Amino acid sequence: DAKTTQPNSMESNEEEPVHLPCNHSTISGTDYIHWYRQLPSQGPEYVIHGLTSNVNNRMASLAIAEDRKSSTLILHRATLRDAAVYYCAFNTGANSKLTFGKGITLSVRP
Amino acid sequence: DAGITQSPRHKVTETGTPVTLRCHQTENHRYMYWYRQDPGHGLRLIHYSYGVKDTDKGEVSDGYSVSRSKTEDFLLTLESATSSQTSVYFCAISESRPKGAFFGQGTRLTVV
Repeated sequence: DAKTTQPNSMESNEEEPVHLPCNHSTISGTDYIHWYRQLPSQGPEYVIHGLTSNVNNRMASLAIAEDRKSSTLILHRATLRDAAVYYCAFNTGANSKLTFGKGITLSVRP
Repeated sequence: DAGITQSPRHKVTETGTPVTLRCHQTENHRYMYWYRQDPGHGLRLIHYSYGVKDTDKGEVSDGYSVSRSKTEDFLLTLESATSSQTSVYFCAISESRPKGAFFGQGTRLTVV
């Protein structure tokens, strides 16, 4: 399974972009990269996923390094409601095993 | 919101007793997962299912068993609960391999 490294925490200012990193040097060529976030006292929420190409959706963008050993979740304009724990995760194998990193706690300053 | 329900939402049980947590979905998704969440450990996969009667172990499966006899239900059983199994348990469902998973609201289990 892909092993992940994420910083424990990050801080951002409101309305500024945020780049949340995830290193996954042992990822295999067919593992999908997912990102989830978890607000206090709630279950995790899907944000975005990708395989090789960068991806955009209404919530965020996902930038995947060319060698796929790292990825970055980009929040274009942080709001106070974006304060949460952000997890990178991997969907592995034909049976869709889904495993998570330890997560980054994002704080957003007004 | 995805139709996924965990029951019970809270439970206190004594060491050595069996406990079963239920995950019920109304989405007809193929894949289902059980995780536990503890401070400092993030989300750790216990077991997962890729179809009816098809299950596999995750990272922390010791002391847990699962069953999936129909698409909509995925049961997690602690055969003999221990204090180390005090945790918040999350169930998740996914339609297909590339797609994101949807999570339930969690079950807070305390083993005393």
